[in-house]
Amino acid sequence: GIQVEQSPPDLILQEGANSTLRCNFSDSVNNLQWFHQNPWGQLINLFYIPSGTKQNGRLSATTVATERYSLLYISSSQTTDSGVYFCAVVRSNYQLIWGAGTKLIIKP
Amino acid sequence: DTAVSQTPKYLVTQMGNDKSIKCEQNLGHDTMYWYKQDSKKFLKIMFSYNNKELIINETVPNRFSPKSPDKAHLNLHINSLELGDSAVYFCASSHGQGARQAFFGQGTRLTVV
Repeated sequence: GIQVEQSPPDLILQEGANSTLRCNFSDSVNNLQWFHQNPWGQLINLFYIPSGTKQNGRLSATTVATERYSLLYISSSQTTDSGVYFCAVVRSNYQLIWGAGTKLIIKP
Repeated sequence: DTAVSQTPKYLVTQMGNDKSIKCEQNLGHDTMYWYKQDSKKFLKIMFSYNNKELIINETVPNRFSPKSPDKAHLNLHINSLELGDSAVYFCASSHGQGARQAFFGQGTRLTVV
């Protein structure tokens, strides 16, 4: 089956820093989503981005489907950005296939 | 308005009990899912329903039984709870097949003691 790998597994930054999270997938996909799981456990949709680039405030994402990767950029990090960031992909069925996540800690 | 809502948010119960988690979505989606997130934060699909029909049934114990009374609801019933069932369970929904954005509920933290 398709493999989804995220890097780095852990990231510790000072407030104000920028970061780039990466998601690699092993085969073509119909859909790719980025999620943020906050320290209280809530999963929040960030982007639905099967290809191209999208921006939402300090966050932006780019998916290069032909090269099978996606990047999530966080600029001017805030402590509220802490949590786990997941990438998930879908192929031809309904199933989301998840990466293991990147745990981000933003220190004040 | 909450798009995907699960109840309860927290559930603490003893081994051997039977419990249910309810999920409702008001997005008009035709596909709903149950995911289990283990202690290592890994999310694994358990079930998926499309238009009330079971389409994904991963290898989970028979003690877990999903029920979809209509397209807006997908409940999860668990019999004879075991310690290893402790986890966070997420309900989600999406519209259409494959290339659609999935929306998640807030999760239900189940603790079996």
